[in-house]
Amino acid sequence: DADVTQTPRNRITKTGKRIMLECSQTKGHDRMYWYRQDPGLGLRLIYYSFDVKDINKGEISDGYSVSRQAQAKFSLSLESAIPNQTALYFCATRPGQGTGELFFGEGSRLTVL
Amino acid sequence: DAKTTQPTSMDCAEGRAANLPCNHSTISGNEYVYWYRQIHSQGPQYIIHGLKNNETNEMASLIITEDRKSSTLILPHATLRDTAVYYCIQTDSWGKFQFGAGTQVVVTP
Repeated sequence: DADVTQTPRNRITKTGKRIMLECSQTKGHDRMYWYRQDPGLGLRLIYYSFDVKDINKGEISDGYSVSRQAQAKFSLSLESAIPNQTALYFCATRPGQGTGELFFGEGSRLTVL
Repeated sequence: DAKTTQPTSMDCAEGRAANLPCNHSTISGNEYVYWYRQIHSQGPQYIIHGLKNNETNEMASLIITEDRKSSTLILPHATLRDTAVYYCIQTDSWGKFQFGAGTQVVVTP
């Protein structure tokens, strides 16, 4: 099983619908991140969390919200999806101490019609 | 916006060394240089990171200039499976990783 699991892997929805992307990890890491990737571009940071009580906005948080339900779970919500939120979304984790690397999930592809 | 700059693309012959440059002229004393790669639309994969000394692991070598304003990732013997987008990131130990557009590396037979 993957250390960082994202669900769903693929989702097609309609404009105005509420969507939740979930991320769970078995690595025991304190830090979790949500990124968005548009075709041909790099990853952009949406939100990040350094522990359960510490959540921060990234570069492009407008239109998104997050919930850190537990150390192992970090969910990304689109309250009212719009077509320009069509993208590939990645969750990542990192240890709370030191300079360890980010570990990424496999991605969730979201299409908003 | 990403704080590093990289060439948009580069080609490399299979079996040869691939040298990927990165400029990080605004890097501060407590910031590290990390390299990741992304194959197709998979999750990015960690390659290597360093602060000021050169680093080597089983995947690659990282050469950081003395002034720390630039670095080079070296893939010693490129294979077709090394075709990917390579990202250079500068970040402090808190780890707010910001990815740029990266360098598309194509390894050709």
